[in-house]
Amino acid sequence: SQQGEEDPQALSIQEGENATMNCSYKTSINNLQWYRQNSGRGLVHLILIRSNEREKHSGRLRVTLDTSKKSSSLLITASRAADTASYFCATVSRGGGADGLTFGKGTHLIIQP
Amino acid sequence: NAGVTQTPKFQVLKTGQSMTLQCAQDMNHEYMSWYRQDPGMGLRLIHYSVGAGITDQGEVPNGYNVSRSTTEDFPLRLLSAAPSQTSVYFCASSYRALNTEAFFGQGTRLTVV
Repeated sequence: SQQGEEDPQALSIQEGENATMNCSYKTSINNLQWYRQNSGRGLVHLILIRSNEREKHSGRLRVTLDTSKKSSSLLITASRAADTASYFCATVSRGGGADGLTFGKGTHLIIQP
Repeated sequence: NAGVTQTPKFQVLKTGQSMTLQCAQDMNHEYMSWYRQDPGMGLRLIHYSVGAGITDQGEVPNGYNVSRSTTEDFPLRLLSAAPSQTSVYFCASSYRALNTEAFFGQGTRLTVV
């Protein structure tokens, strides 16, 4: 069953603007990960945030995690045309994740030049 | 540095045929998994393996078999293809379960007619 649900399902912004995507999940987690998927390609790992962390940065990416609300957000600052892709959150269960990542349905981000 | 390699990239099968999707990784990862991606559904876990000789079922295992005779290879077998198995299949690996990032292959687009 789907654990994470991304919001919005689709987002279109102008190049240079910031893009924010949200993810909600249902059960206790060990960590939460964000992935990017370009059209017709595999998924690429962006960032992992553990359940005891509240915020993490990587380049133009900022991820927050609120375990009390069971939610996470991904912020992409100063967006570029190359950021056009689908973005997925994926959770790893409290048990450590031997039983796999549980993905949301994704946010399709379009950056208008 | 190949990472995770999947073959073939595209395949068309007739209902009832069997085939094997190949997955190989060269990163000495213990954990490997197979997902399917359907439109609007995100990715769902089919089978996974925490090491050579050990496999287990994921969320949607019916109609699929796996084996893990070596650390590097994790083939997925479709026993008797059905139109409902039309999907894009992704293999992923990670160093240990999912406390670290997962690396994905480029995917196999399978159509069953």
